Amino acid sequence: ETGVTQSPTHLIKTRGQQVTLRCSSQSGHNTVSWYQQALGQGPQFIFQYYREEENGRGNFPPRFSGLQFPNYSSELNVNALELDDSALYLCASSRPGQPVSTDTQYFGPGTRLTVL
Amino acid sequence: QQPVQSPQAVILREGEDAVINCSSSKALYSVHWYRQKHGEAPVFLMILLKGGEQKGHDKISASFNEKKQQSSLYLTASQLSYSGTYFCGTEYSGAGSYQLTFGKGTKLSVIP
Repeated sequence: ETGVTQSPTHLIKTRGQQVTLRCSSQSGHNTVSWYQQALGQGPQFIFQYYREEENGRGNFPPRFSGLQFPNYSSELNVNALELDDSALYLCASSRPGQPVSTDTQYFGPGTRLTVL
Repeated sequence: QQPVQSPQAVILREGEDAVINCSSSKALYSVHWYRQKHGEAPVFLMILLKGGEQKGHDKISASFNEKKQQSSLYLTASQLSYSGTYFCGTEYSGAGSYQLTFGKGTKLSVIP
């Protein structure tokens, strides 16, 4: 176990709705990254938060947004859900201010989102 | 740009060896290997930095060939517990970012 937790475990929404996913990072980690993993694919980087600021973003539209709180927990918000948003959403935490080249990211168990 | 993993899938009998490759068309700074079992989070295995290093623990090791921009993961004397999908995550030189770009994965099945 990595100490990274996510909630909820599963979620079913309909097209057009909005969803909020939550992540608590491992103790001592202040950097959180979010990934989308479609079935049979590798995780795809959405964005990263470091000290409550967005610190890099992948190729995702603005309807994917996030927050990081002073306790370093994080939220991923997705507006106007589309069918293709159905996926496993993973968050990963890493140590303070370290690029991934010096320390890796530790993944949570994920939230399985189904959009009908 | 997504790294390319090969093979896409492999079936081994217990005790056999396997090699999984991860290739990039862009200059790599680091390669991270993860194993993910069905319905679970990816689990970190090891990091390799540019400079052509090789790492290993237990019967799983990896190498990083900077000239070829390729990393290989070696699994020796495979055990049933090695089954899962292996992903390489790459960080690109000069990207100035903290993100990993993952390949599509290699599904490894170890049978008795």
